[in-house]
Amino acid sequence: KQEVTQIPAALSVPEGENLVLNCSFTDSAIYNLQWFRQDPGKGLTSLLLIQSSQREQTSGRLNASLDKSSGRSTLYIAASQPGDSATYLCANVLENFNKFYFGSGTKLNVKP
Amino acid sequence: DTEVTQTPKHLVMGMTNKKSLKCEQHMGHRAMYWYKQKAKKPPELMFVYSYEKLSINESVPSRFSPECPNSSLLNLHLHALQPEDSALYLCASSPTLQGASTDTQYFGPGTRLTVL
Repeated sequence: KQEVTQIPAALSVPEGENLVLNCSFTDSAIYNLQWFRQDPGKGLTSLLLIQSSQREQTSGRLNASLDKSSGRSTLYIAASQPGDSATYLCANVLENFNKFYFGSGTKLNVKP
Repeated sequence: DTEVTQTPKHLVMGMTNKKSLKCEQHMGHRAMYWYKQKAKKPPELMFVYSYEKLSINESVPSRFSPECPNSSLLNLHLHALQPEDSALYLCASSPTLQGASTDTQYFGPGTRLTVL
């Protein structure tokens, strides 16, 4: 069974800081890995998707990396803003079957 | 249109009530999902429909009854719920169940359910 762990569980930083969120998983036979953002009481928004053959993806101030052999992914947020405050979830899919295994999330607070 | 809609946004019900949650997408997706999310926890998969047929039932109690009337609609019928069933219920869709490595799931905004 795939187990996905996210560290830290919560993070509070001042505006403008660069930060890294970590995700680790036990089964490296993943199909893809995704990072989602969730605002309180809302649905999930997909931020970045990394296919198993890729090592990183970038979108604006966000950069996600994937190291399948070590079972790790990181989400790098540059020049953080208060609007980045949310819970960030990583999830992966094993083989060719669209069932997500979610981490427990990192709650980010960016202080003005 | 890359939107998944869910109604109602909020629902309060008693333990003897019968209610339904609705989910709709018009992206031509053939896989649809129900998740339950408790506070400060990740979403937990409940049901998956693929081509209008139930593909996955994650051992969910029978007081939750899913229905997929057509490829765009997914309902979740609720009956005799318990207070511990109070949670955010999320619907999602994806092009197919066994899809391309670039596929993601598109999530709706959720229904906040409170069982009294």
